[in-house]
Amino acid sequence: AQSVAQPEDQVNVAEGNPLTVKCTYSVSGNPYLFWYVQYPNRGLQFLLKYITGDNLVKGSYGFEAEFNKSQTSFHLKKPSALVSDSALYFCAVRANQAGTALIFGKGTTLSVSS
Amino acid sequence: EAGVVQSPRYKIIEKKQPVAFWCNPISGHNTLYWYRQNLGQGPELLIRYENEEAVDDSQLPKDRFSAERLKGVDSTLKIQPAELGDSAVYLCASSQPGYEKLFFGSGTQLSVL
Repeated sequence: AQSVAQPEDQVNVAEGNPLTVKCTYSVSGNPYLFWYVQYPNRGLQFLLKYITGDNLVKGSYGFEAEFNKSQTSFHLKKPSALVSDSALYFCAVRANQAGTALIFGKGTTLSVSS
Repeated sequence: EAGVVQSPRYKIIEKKQPVAFWCNPISGHNTLYWYRQNLGQGPELLIRYENEEAVDDSQLPKDRFSAERLKGVDSTLKIQPAELGDSAVYLCASSQPGYEKLFFGSGTQLSVL
């Protein structure tokens, strides 16, 4: 069975500092991995994805994520946080098989202070 | 280009009443999803459509939930009768065939009293 774990309910970081939001996953075979962001009163927005290739993927708003197969992790990172990055972040995974559903983690609230 | 449109934005009903949610996906997106997001949790898939065919409805509580996607475009999700535990945000998403990126609507926040 597929699963996603986001071990931190909340991450607090000061503006200008680097940020990391953690995600680990469990899936049979090769994973498709995603990060989505949810701002208050808005729908989820796609940030980035890993399908294959380079383990470091770059996405929207300066975010990037690193796929680590041995640790089954896909942590979201940004070198310098902005107050406007404050939002709810979801990691999601699905197996590399036709017809499998996208499974979301429970989300991590990122709070960036000025 | 318009995004995924959902209505209503909010709905408050009493338990045992029926309720329906509507979704209009992005034009050209053949795949449509309904997710339920409980407070403090990630979205959970209820049903996935490829055109007008429901290809994954294993998580849909079929005793009270139903969905349809006539003509493979708009979709309606219905609950009858609603229970207190159905209070959640119901999200609709769509994607292009073979494309992994989902586009989400703003959701319908349902409160069952």
